[in-house]
Amino acid sequence: GESVGLHLPTLSVQEGDNSIINCAYSNSASDYFIWYKQESGKGPQFIIDIRSNMDKRQGQRVTVLLNKTVKHLSLQIAATQPGDSAVYFCAENGDSNYQLIWGAGTKLIIKP
Amino acid sequence: DADVTQTPRNRITKTGKRIMLECSQTKGHDRMYWYRQDPGLGLRLIYYSFDVKDINKGEISDGYSVSRQAQAKFSLSLESAIPNQTALYFCATSGTSGRYNEQFFGPGTRLTVL
Repeated sequence: GESVGLHLPTLSVQEGDNSIINCAYSNSASDYFIWYKQESGKGPQFIIDIRSNMDKRQGQRVTVLLNKTVKHLSLQIAATQPGDSAVYFCAENGDSNYQLIWGAGTKLIIKP
Repeated sequence: DADVTQTPRNRITKTGKRIMLECSQTKGHDRMYWYRQDPGLGLRLIYYSFDVKDINKGEISDGYSVSRQAQAKFSLSLESAIPNQTALYFCATSGTSGRYNEQFFGPGTRLTVL
C-alpha cells in the first residue's frame, strides 16, 4: 500500500552543523511533496514544498531534494539552531490533489 | 489571533462517554480536515470536508463522526469513547488556490480516554 516513511526516528546534530532528514515514498503517482515542522505542543507548520517537475528547491536555510528515480526526499537545514528542534514530517499527495499521506516523523535534537 | 483554533486543548474522559472536539478557522478556507496523531504513526486522516455539504471518510473514520456547521466550523465527535482513541487530534484547513495541498493546522487537542 501507499506509505511515506522516514529512515531515522531521531537525529542528533551539533548546533551550527547542517542537518539532513530523509524520507522515502512509495506512490509513483505522487507529484507534490511537503515538509512540515512540529514543535512540542504545537500543530505541524509548513516548511517547504516541491513538485515532481523539480529536483531541488531552496528556502531560507532549508533545501528540499527530490530523487524520483529512487523515490527519495530529503530536507537539509543549514547551520542548525536550537530553534530547529522539532519533529519533521514529510508528506506526499499520492493520487489526490487535496489529501496528504504522512510519514511517521523524525525528531531532530540539537546538541549544544 | 490564531487562524485555526481547537477546543478543548486537553480532555480526559471515561470509556463510553460522548465527546465533541471543535475546530474553527478564520482563513476563509473551504476544506477542513480532522487528523489523529499517535506516537510513531504520524498523522492519520479521520474525516475531511470540502464544503458545508461535503463530508468524506478518511483512513480511520470508524468510531468517529463529524459535522460541518458552517464554512468556518468543523467538529469531531466520538459517540462512545474507548481507550484506544487516546491520542492527539488536529484540525487543519486548506484553500483551493496557490499551494493547494498546503494544510494549516490548529494547536491540537490531547484526548485521554480512561
